[in-house]
Amino acid sequence: DQQVKQNSPSLSVQEGRISILNCDYTNSMFDYFLWYKKYPAEGPTFLISISSIKDKNEDGRFTVFLNKSAKHLSLHIVPSQPGDSAVYFCAAMDSNYQLIWGAGTKLIIKP
Amino acid sequence: EAGVAQSPRYKIIEKRQSVAFWCNPISGHATLYWYQQILGQGPKLLIQFQNNGVVDDSQLPKDRFSAERLKGVDSTLKIQPAKLEDSAVYLCASSLGAGLTYEQYFGPGTRLTVT
Repeated sequence: DQQVKQNSPSLSVQEGRISILNCDYTNSMFDYFLWYKKYPAEGPTFLISISSIKDKNEDGRFTVFLNKSAKHLSLHIVPSQPGDSAVYFCAAMDSNYQLIWGAGTKLIIKP
Repeated sequence: EAGVAQSPRYKIIEKRQSVAFWCNPISGHATLYWYQQILGQGPKLLIQFQNNGVVDDSQLPKDRFSAERLKGVDSTLKIQPAKLEDSAVYLCASSLGAGLTYEQYFGPGTRLTVT
């Protein structure tokens, strides 16, 4: 029973264009969502987060959008750069402050 | 600020052998997590410590896995005996404390291969 789903295992985007990574969740009680970025042979690193009381949070080239009615969030990267090539994980925080993770989306930025 | 340290980085063992992983969290972080990440999946929480007490170990296979956090700082995770399906990356993470911050900081992980 996956509570957090990332349905695209991989995504290829041209350098300079927009990358959009999607995430769906099933538990309406989640009140905080995070995106992590992971390079090979390294642990995940925090990228950006959003509270359930907001619908948008922006940090430089990264913007996260939350649609609570659809139980959907997305991460936008504009413009995409070669260093953005990594695996991106969506995670939701439950009432015990524990993270429930999606399976990840591998983003490939083509030069 | 030093990050989360883990060792070893890689380990290959045969099934039925035992193995131990070590984690040193960021100084001052009260909460420590051990995750198991199987290839192609997201991290799965095995156990969560708050200082040196266990908060949640509901997903820890206690017949073969054990973990401790002595003195509320370093932690070890042990598997005895290992099975083939234990092949995964074991990630340690720490945070200031549940409710104080949402962000968890991760170590580089230990890649375990059981043959």
